[in-house]
Amino acid sequence: DVKVTQSSRYLVKRTGEKVFLECVQDMDHENMFWYRQDPGLGLRLIYFSYDVKMKEKGDIPEGYSVSREKKERFSLILESASTNQTSMYLCASSFGALEQYFGPGTRLTVT
Amino acid sequence: EDQVTQSPEALRLQEGESSSLNCSYTVSGLRGLFWYRQDPGKGPEFLFTLYSAGEEKEKERLKATLTKKESFLHITAPKPEDSATYLCAVRGGDSNSGYALNFGKGTSLLVTP
Repeated sequence: DVKVTQSSRYLVKRTGEKVFLECVQDMDHENMFWYRQDPGLGLRLIYFSYDVKMKEKGDIPEGYSVSREKKERFSLILESASTNQTSMYLCASSFGALEQYFGPGTRLTVT
Repeated sequence: EDQVTQSPEALRLQEGESSSLNCSYTVSGLRGLFWYRQDPGKGPEFLFTLYSAGEEKEKERLKATLTKKESFLHITAPKPEDSATYLCAVRGGDSNSGYALNFGKGTSLLVTP
């Protein structure tokens, strides 16, 4: 079974803090994605990566950055957390154009 | 720009009462339509991929179908454990986001005993 894990299920941070969300997949997938999910807005793509050290902006990259130093690991970084970044963050991975597999999600609250 | 609209937003069924969820899409060159199930507080779980009009996929009480403009997720004789949010997503050929998916907002299904 494909397994995508995320470093935290719940996280509470203060405004202005730097926040790291980590995602690890064990299926040797080259593609990895970060989405955020908000009520009424659905899933929105933040960043994605096709390969190690490669990254591409998604639909809502502002306020975020990413890092992919190893194939299995894709990190999302909030440089200076703000209250409007309170959300559910979902990581996914895929092999080529096939279906994406999601992690359990991290519910981030910024106070 | 790819667009995905799911209806209804919410659906309540009695156990055993069959129904269908709709996913209407606008995409330039469909490269795949995906159905996911999401339980509260969890990540989406992959169900089906459909690639061309006329294609059908089945899994237990679920059957997904595809036309050139929409997809249906048919639920036959649902059970309470089928309660979840069902998400539809598309990948278009002209997407600037490569292999990323464009998701609808989901249909929240509640099946009561």
